[in-house]
Amino acid sequence: EAGVTQFPSHSVIEKGQTVTLRCDPISGHDNLYWYRRVMGKEIKFLLHFVKESKQDESGMPNNRFLAERTGGTYSTLKVQPAELEDSGVYFCASSEGGRGDNSPLHFGNGTRLTVT
Amino acid sequence: DAKTTQPPSMDCAEGRAANLPCNHSTISGNEYVYWYRQIHSQGPQYIIHGLKNNETNEMASLIITEDRKSSTLILPHATLRDTAVYYCIVRSNFGNEKLTFGTGTRLTIIP
Repeated sequence: EAGVTQFPSHSVIEKGQTVTLRCDPISGHDNLYWYRRVMGKEIKFLLHFVKESKQDESGMPNNRFLAERTGGTYSTLKVQPAELEDSGVYFCASSEGGRGDNSPLHFGNGTRLTVT
Repeated sequence: DAKTTQPPSMDCAEGRAANLPCNHSTISGNEYVYWYRQIHSQGPQYIIHGLKNNETNEMASLIITEDRKSSTLILPHATLRDTAVYYCIVRSNFGNEKLTFGTGTRLTIIP
């Protein structure tokens, strides 16, 4: 079974540019989560999809971040325009099951974003 | 979700059992204890989770006290590849809630 895959693994962009990160969850997993780790800080939750719907987007830092999951399969996270403080590692995770289920999250290896 | 407290760092000799403690004194009845680890430059890796009974899998054992206010993750025969940051996380059992990461315990396996 393929794990959670993220693309690209690294991205270096200039301040003001746009970057789109992609996450392919484990096949059949309804739940998809985005997290990020800014250097020196803890891993922070960004948002949670159940299929194509945003279940919880309380961690999204501001309106420069847009997450989508059309069709309930893969997800994209767009940062537009990027700022220096957006640099960090962005992780995606997925889990199976609907409400009432307690399935572990499985994480990808992340996209390291550097904004210069 | 309930807050957890872990020591910031620990060392363990290679081949010995590594015992990582976690306090979660405010845990509620519907919250599970999860353990993850992050090896440098990789994504967090799921290890094990439990509600109130002790659990064991191919990676580790989880011992939860009877009052559920603390738990211990046991890696029975630590290897150098077990060097990582280990996170103890309390998570509601309803609705596939998010995980909330703290600062974890940096475990170093000594050759």
